[in-house]
Amino acid sequence: EVQLVESGGGLFQPGGSLRLSCAASEFSVSSNYMSWVRQAPGKGLEWVSVINNGGAPFYADSVRGRFTISRDNSKNTLYLQINGLRPEDTGFYFCAGGGYGDYWGQGALVTVSS
Amino acid sequence: EIVLTQSPATLSLSPGERATLSCRASQSVSSSLGWYQQRPGQAPRLLIYAASNRATGIPTRFSGSGSGTDFTLTISSLEPEDFAVYYCHQRSIWPRTFGQGTKVEIK
Repeated sequence: EVQLVESGGGLFQPGGSLRLSCAASEFSVSSNYMSWVRQAPGKGLEWVSVINNGGAPFYADSVRGRFTISRDNSKNTLYLQINGLRPEDTGFYFCAGGGYGDYWGQGALVTVSS
Repeated sequence: EIVLTQSPATLSLSPGERATLSCRASQSVSSSLGWYQQRPGQAPRLLIYAASNRATGIPTRFSGSGSGTDFTLTISSLEPEDFAVYYCHQRSIWPRTFGQGTKVEIK
């Protein structure tokens, strides 16, 4: 059974940094498109970043320059580094695997507040 | 950026009824459109990919149609577990975008 498990969420101060992880099982991070999608509390979905199977990253305009997507093929894990945290970065961060997001993790809650 | 507009915002129906959800794109996305279901407190689940293909394990009561700028998700007969929020999403042109969602609620 495919599983994607996010970790690294929590309460962070504005201006700080964090790294989210998404550990995959029964699904190859290196062979598939992998994405991060976020959802502010009570709001809709926003696709923030994708890394394709060739390793090329793509970012939404709202996060470019602050977010970095990466993967560790040996650990079969996807990452999202977030720098310069802002209150509007608050929300659930989901990792999704596959071109259309065939598989999703349960999400990691990030709260940015002083 | 491609804007996806979903209608209606809320659909009030009874179990057993047919649900028809619309998604309109601000420019053509060809057939690069997916539909997702999100129940409260859960992650989204892929229902339909490439406009009309059911994802693995999705019941046959869910169907998708359309191409270009106009797309439809149809649920032929609503089951109690189908009352949720549904999002369309385009992957044709970066940045990928979602519609704002349609809530299907029990009448």
